[in-house]
Amino acid sequence: SQQGEEDPQALSIQEGENATMNCSYKTSINNLQWYRQNSGRGLVHLILIRSNEREKHSGRLRVTLDTSKKSSSLLITASRAADTASYFCATDDPDSWGKLQFGAGTQVVVTP
Amino acid sequence: DGGITQSPKYLFRKEGQNVTLSCEQNLNHDAMYWYRQDPGQGLRLIYYSQIVNDFQKGDIAEGYSVSREKKESFPLTVTSAQKNPTAFYLCASSSWAGGETQYFGPGTRLLVL
Repeated sequence: SQQGEEDPQALSIQEGENATMNCSYKTSINNLQWYRQNSGRGLVHLILIRSNEREKHSGRLRVTLDTSKKSSSLLITASRAADTASYFCATDDPDSWGKLQFGAGTQVVVTP
Repeated sequence: DGGITQSPKYLFRKEGQNVTLSCEQNLNHDAMYWYRQDPGQGLRLIYYSQIVNDFQKGDIAEGYSVSREKKESFPLTVTSAQKNPTAFYLCASSSWAGGETQYFGPGTRLLVL
């Protein structure tokens, strides 16, 4: 079963614009992670936010977490063509140590 | 270079054949994972291993088998019992199996002839 669900499924923007995608989940978590996947490649870890954190930054990335709404958002500022990829959120499973549950992802296309 | 390697990049399976996908890591990680990804979908967990000589079924283990005889290696066998094996297979590892950051290999694409 998929714990996290990303919204929107696809996003098309121009270089320089900001891209925002959201993730909703169903059960309590210890942490939430965001990953990026370029077409036909493995996933690359972007950022991890813990349940007691509300916001985290890494370069042009900003992640928020609202545990009361069971949701998270990923903002990419000043997007570049190289940001074209699929973005996945992943939540841990407190009842099953070691497992991550991935959403279906948001496909982002940044056009020059 | 530290990281995770998967081989082969592409693998073709004939009907009734078992095939084995390789996954090796030199990150000294205790935990390793196998995921399946179908087009336009997220990752689904097949098997995971928290420590050498131990592994647990994930959400879609039927038709697959694994072994963990060495810390750095976690091969996945796709058996003939797996009727729809065409997918992209991803191996990952983490320093420990506690929902922490996972590091992924480049993937193996399995196709059925």
